[in-house]
Amino acid sequence: EIVMTQSPATLSVSPGERATLSCRASQSVSSNLAWYQQKPGQAPRLLIYGASTRATGIPARFSGSGSGTEFTLTISSLQSEDFAVYYCQQYNNWPPRTFGQGTKVEIK
Amino acid sequence: QVTLRESGPALVKPTQTLTLTCTFSGFSLSTSGMCVSWIRQPPGKALEWLALIDWDDDKYYSTSLKTRLTISKDTSKNQVVLTMTNMDPVDTATYYCARTTVVTAYFDYWGQGTLVTVSS
Repeated sequence: EIVMTQSPATLSVSPGERATLSCRASQSVSSNLAWYQQKPGQAPRLLIYGASTRATGIPARFSGSGSGTEFTLTISSLQSEDFAVYYCQQYNNWPPRTFGQGTKVEIK
Repeated sequence: QVTLRESGPALVKPTQTLTLTCTFSGFSLSTSGMCVSWIRQPPGKALEWLALIDWDDDKYYSTSLKTRLTISKDTSKNQVVLTMTNMDPVDTATYYCARTTVVTAYFDYWGQGTLVTVSS
């Protein structure tokens, strides 16, 4: 089973600043990686798939990069609505389709 | 427009069997490649993938929970059912169903989730 490790667990950022979130896979997942955003009391929302492709309706300030075992989600200029928990998920080798433990982006 | 909605009991007792239903619209599980998964999230914790059923009625389960899970579908009703036996308080979580495919394999549409509490 592929283990996904996200860092940091919590990221404190001021509005307007850049946020950089990391996700590492225990073995290569090629570019078969997705990022999700989850706000309190809501279901996760797909942000990025294929490591770098934004899902429909996702603002351009969200970008994904990486391949193999190292991935990054960057939010270029944090807006108030971006404070949430972010999860990565691999779908290269499944089952299972594993998620990371999440990174909480909070207001500094 | 794709929508999914989970339904089931909010409270179950330890050792009981949980049955959850995902009712969806906007796509068909008879379409080649289409799948529906169940995913859960204990309060304040991470997402955990549980099971998947595809258009061809192939079923896949979490390794750690496979002995307790059964997933099935009723294509005519646009429903997917998950049963989990021998419920324990550690199974307290919000349970989500989500659409995916065998090709894209990420979860593009999610239900709003249903909170299941296991307590006597």
